[in-house]
Amino acid sequence: NAGVMQNPRHLVRRRGQEARLRCSPMKGHSHVYWYRQLPEEGLKFMVYLQKENIIDESGMPKERFSAEFPKEGPSILRIQQVVRGDSAAYFCASSPGTLQGEKAFFGQGTRLTVV
Amino acid sequence: AQSVAQPEDQVNVAEGNPLTVKCTYSVSGNPYLFWYVQYPNRGLQFLLKYITGDNLVKGSYGFEAEFNKSQTSFHLKKPSALVSDSALYFCAVRDAGTGGFKTIFGAGTRLFVKA
Repeated sequence: NAGVMQNPRHLVRRRGQEARLRCSPMKGHSHVYWYRQLPEEGLKFMVYLQKENIIDESGMPKERFSAEFPKEGPSILRIQQVVRGDSAAYFCASSPGTLQGEKAFFGQGTRLTVV
Repeated sequence: AQSVAQPEDQVNVAEGNPLTVKCTYSVSGNPYLFWYVQYPNRGLQFLLKYITGDNLVKGSYGFEAEFNKSQTSFHLKKPSALVSDSALYFCAVRDAGTGGFKTIFGAGTRLFVKA
């Protein structure tokens, strides 16, 4: 059973371009979470999704950021018109979603650099 | 709303000495508490969790944590630190009272173990 897979591992975008970050949860996991880690800072919750539904997007910036978790395929975090301040590591985590006390499994992250 | 505080940005310990990384939390209901570790350029790895039962929880790599309800704390401990324990440690909380799966992370504490 492969772990949580994120790709790409590193992504470089020019200001104004779009960034698409992909996350394939572990097999059997229906809950996906996205976190952002800024340099020298902790993990900030962004969004929590279940298949085809956004459950909690309270940590998402109001503009330019969106997330989806379609019925088929990976979860996508999309950042439109990127700015330098979007440079960060973006981590995806997944969990089965059957028990509230279960741990989450993390991917290795996508490091986005905006130049 | 749930929150987590890790009051120390950095903890320095000599190899062989005991270590403690502090964490306090706030939730409206009962807490589910977690510790994760992040090594350089890696994703987060699960260390241990408290759901219910014994206040002292044992986890991976010889780590343990003590749940203290009156002090709303969940400090991470290890009796004898190793240089290889040097990493970034995150405390996290989930609010069992809400029935949800959203996990909030602390800002992280960097542990340096000196040989």
